[in-house]
Amino acid sequence: AQSVTQLGSHVSVSEGALVLLRCNYSSSVPPYLFWYVQYPNQGLQLLLKYTSAATLVKGINGFEAEFKKSETSFHLTKPSAHMSDAAEYFCAVKGGKLIFGQGTELSVKP
Amino acid sequence: DAGVIQSPRHEVTEMGQEVTLRCKPISGHNSLFWYRQTMMRGLELLIYFNNNVPIDDSGMPEDRFSAKMPNASFSTLKIQPSEPRDSAVYFCASSFIWQTDRGDTQYFGPGTRLTVL
Repeated sequence: AQSVTQLGSHVSVSEGALVLLRCNYSSSVPPYLFWYVQYPNQGLQLLLKYTSAATLVKGINGFEAEFKKSETSFHLTKPSAHMSDAAEYFCAVKGGKLIFGQGTELSVKP
Repeated sequence: DAGVIQSPRHEVTEMGQEVTLRCKPISGHNSLFWYRQTMMRGLELLIYFNNNVPIDDSGMPEDRFSAKMPNASFSTLKIQPSEPRDSAVYFCASSFIWQTDRGDTQYFGPGTRLTVL
């Protein structure tokens, strides 16, 4: 069965600092992996997804994630945080359904 | 292009009343999903449809919940009777087609915030 674990329910960074949100997955088959962002009072929006093409996936808003099979990880990064990046971020793996992590709330300090 | 449309955006009702949430998926999408989001339980899949047919309803909490998809452009989620513990944000999402060997994206609507008093 597939599952994901997001390490850290809350991450705080300063504006301009590196953003690193951690996600580890468990899957018995080659996984499809997703990162979604949820701004307050809005639905989830796809940031990027891994579908077994390139291991480094670039998404919207300057985010990227690297698939590392040996570490069963799919961490999300952005070189320089912006105030507008403050939101909740969800990692998800596709099984018979889309299985979401518990989410990581990102705060950006001025 | 219009995204997934949900109505109403907010619903406040009293315990025991019937609640109907509505969803219009993205045109051309063949799969539709209903999710519930709460602080305690996070995002939970309630049910999903492929080509208007329910495929997995194992997440539907109990018989008070029912979902229908009479055609490719409309779905409803009904709660009857509603209870305070049903208070949550309900999301509808759609994708081109949901199959094991495909990595199609699910596109989410803005959600319906349900409060049951």
